[in-house]
Amino acid sequence: EAQVTQNPRYLITVTGKKLTVTCSQNMNHEYMSWYRQDPGLGLRQIYYSMNVEVTDKGDVPEGYKVSRKEKRNFPLILESPSPNQTSLYFCASSLYSFDNEQFFGPGTRLTVL
Amino acid sequence: AQSVAQPEDQVNVAEGNPLTVKCTYSVSGNPYLFWYVQYPNRGLQFLLKYITGDNLVKGSYGFEAEFNKSQTSFHLKKPSALVSDSALYFCAVRDIGGTGKLIFGQGTTLQVKP
Repeated sequence: EAQVTQNPRYLITVTGKKLTVTCSQNMNHEYMSWYRQDPGLGLRQIYYSMNVEVTDKGDVPEGYKVSRKEKRNFPLILESPSPNQTSLYFCASSLYSFDNEQFFGPGTRLTVL
Repeated sequence: AQSVAQPEDQVNVAEGNPLTVKCTYSVSGNPYLFWYVQYPNRGLQFLLKYITGDNLVKGSYGFEAEFNKSQTSFHLKKPSALVSDSALYFCAVRDIGGTGKLIFGQGTTLQVKP
């Protein structure tokens, strides 16, 4: 089944404790993105990748890191999480561009205390 | 700068009635427009997109959207709402600069009552 998976689905952590949210897709998609969803703000892009070893900042990259060492995986790293990073996070992938249908993962709800 | 607005936080309709979820956009040049839906506890799912051509775009689950250039709108419609259509709907516009990423609206909750 074609899908985007994210882990963990739920995470409660404390300020400053490094964490990684994994994202994997099995559709051989070139493009991958991380978004955060906050009430009243819609989705905002954090980082994106157009291919292996090609990543760039989105609209709200502060406090986040990413890597794309393999085509299928695109982990999101919070080196020192802060409470303002409490949010719902989505990973998405698409075939050749953002114009193509984006497939979204199920989301990761992160709470930073 | 490109932007998209969804003027209603929530839309309530009765099952069987037609529904409209509104979206207006602001772009320079020809817009690429999208609708995505988010069911509870799920990721977003693509519904439809307009790039060029016919102003009425048909998508998944019986939804369609009407592109209106003079009113800069891209409203989502369905002739007969189902309770299962209750979800959060996002309109998005392609950013013509740089990577062409999507800029999402704030979302509209659709509530369909039996």
